[in-house]
Amino acid sequence: GAGVSQSPRYKVAKRGQDVALRCDPISGHVSLFWYQQALGQGPEFLTYFQNEAQLDKSGLPSDRFFAERPEGSVSTLKIQRTQQEDSAVYLCASSLEWARVAGETQYFGPGTRLLVL
Amino acid sequence: LAKTTQPISMDSYEGQEVNITCSHNNIATNDYITWYQQFPSQGPRFIIQGYKTKVTNEVASLFIPADRKSSTLSLPRVSLSDTAVYYCLVGDNRDDKIIFGKGTRLHILP
Repeated sequence: GAGVSQSPRYKVAKRGQDVALRCDPISGHVSLFWYQQALGQGPEFLTYFQNEAQLDKSGLPSDRFFAERPEGSVSTLKIQRTQQEDSAVYLCASSLEWARVAGETQYFGPGTRLLVL
Repeated sequence: LAKTTQPISMDSYEGQEVNITCSHNNIATNDYITWYQQFPSQGPRFIIQGYKTKVTNEVASLFIPADRKSSTLSLPRVSLSDTAVYYCLVGDNRDDKIIFGKGTRLHILP
């Protein structure tokens, strides 16, 4: 079946603009994650959903970042009043059941590359 | 989550066997060791996972010594398409998050 998809693949925003990044997880996957990856760095955890419940948002860098998954499938990461330091690749991942590092694989999308000018 | 240490980068040639070693001195009893691979402009992809001794699949082998304080990812007969970043992770089944670190940039030369 289809993998995790993300849109748009590329987004250029002017500083101060709001952006919305979409993630379509693999159908039936319960868990959904958002990560931020700066150039040359590994992905860093932002937030985690189990179905529609946001169980962990400890990685969101500021209150300008907001994520939702209202029906437990598609998720949107919203960044308000974008700043240049928000420029990064935003990765979405999903897994079939309760996500665990041990025993449960996370499937990643291709990411959205955000450039804030 | 236990921290891991792995080389920043490695170079090798096509057809060679590549071994990437990861140190995880503070690994806990319930922790598993997992490796992900990331190609440019793609998200990370699960490669292999193990708890002890040796695990082999169609992509790689994972060697874990008895003390489990390190592990080695072995890629047999690499090709140019194996050029990627490889991440070593440790964690147990209570961990929701994956902490990637910087990974090892593997560059395969012709």
